[in-house]
Parts: sequence; C-alpha cells; structure tokens
Amino acid sequence: EAGVVQSPRYKIIEKKQPVAFWCNPISGHNTLYWYRQNLGQGPELLIRYENEEAVDDSQLPKDRFSAERLKGVDSTLKIQPAELGDSAVYLCASSSGGTGNTIYFGEGSWLTVV
Amino acid sequence: QQQVKQSPQSLIVQKGGISIINCAYENTAFDYFPWYQQFPGKGPALLIAIRPDVSEKKEGRFTISFNKSAKQFSLHIMDSQPGDSATYFCAARRGNQGGKLIFGQGTELSVKP
Repeated sequence: EAGVVQSPRYKIIEKKQPVAFWCNPISGHNTLYWYRQNLGQGPELLIRYENEEAVDDSQLPKDRFSAERLKGVDSTLKIQPAELGDSAVYLCASSSGGTGNTIYFGEGSWLTVV
Repeated sequence: QQQVKQSPQSLIVQKGGISIINCAYENTAFDYFPWYQQFPGKGPALLIAIRPDVSEKKEGRFTISFNKSAKQFSLHIMDSQPGDSATYFCAARRGNQGGKLIFGQGTELSVKP
C-alpha cells in the first residue's frame, strides 16, 4: 500500500514568490492534515480536513496561506507571497478518521525562502 | 502554546544501553499519547502509543511508561542500537479535537557503536 505522497520534495524560492505543495493521502483515508515543522521543532498543525471540509484551520495564517481539498482526496497548500520565515518542512498526513486511528505522515516538502 | 514539554533535547547513548526520553503535559483532556520516530529527510513515523487507562505499554525494545497523576510519560528504548539514532517526538491528542496532535519539541538520539 502506498503511503502519503507529497511533491515537490524540495523547493527554493525567492521571498514574495508563490509556492504550492501537493499531497495525495493514503487511499481511503478521509482525514487529511497539513503540518509545518520548523528546524529543530516538532510539527505544528496548520489545517485538518474531514473529506473536503476544513474542520480546523485555526493555525493557518490566512493572509498568505490557503489550502484546498477538492473531491475529498488530494490536497494543495499554497503560500503567496512567501516570506523568509516560511522556510520549513511542510508535512502532509492522513488517517482513516476517528480519535483512535494512526496518523501517517508523508516525507514532507522542504521549503527554503531566500 | 507549548502544551507538551519534552526532554532532553539531545541524548547520546552507548550501544546496548537504555535510552530514556521524558514528556510532560498540561491538559488533562488529552486521551492519547503517541511517540513518533523521525529519520533525517523523512516524515515522522508512529513508534508506539498509549492511552491514560494503562500505566505501561511494551512493544519489543520500546516501552512507554505513563504517570497520569504526574501528567508525565516517557519512552524507554532497551538495548539501544545505532539504527535507533533518530529524532523522537512525543505527542498528545484530545479526543474531542479529532486527530489534532500536539507535539513535543523532539529529542535527537545518537547511539554510539
């Protein structure tokens, strides 16, 4: 079974430029998460989807970040415009829902803003 | 806000030794406590998890000890191996917040041959 797939794996952009990350969750997983992991820190939740509905986006900086999960499968996270402080690893994760189910992470998209 | 505090930040252990990583939490509404292992360039992977109705859970060389009254839990790695060298994160989740995990800051473990 394929795991959570993310692309691109690495991205270097200049500040003020836009960037987008794509995620394909594990087949059948209706819950999808985007986390941000700063260097030397634990992941922090940006947004959680149940199917196509964003049920927790309280930590998403909505002035520059946006996300969508059309058709309740793949998801895209966009940053526009990017700032130097956005340099981090953006992790997508999925689970089959429910409070007791394991959350599986992708390998992450490593963003460097210069 | 930092709701899960993890220590130490880094740990060096000799091969065959015991690695111990500690976490403390504040919110008594947390009802699920997983540990994740992360290798460089990879995403976190679930290692072992515990619920507050048990005081200990063991899977192979990995054991979680849980102290509900002290609001603390720890990961013990017995017979540590160089292949265990990775960053370990504790986490906690509130059942009424769906799957949202609150992570600790991580412990970088290095097991020397």
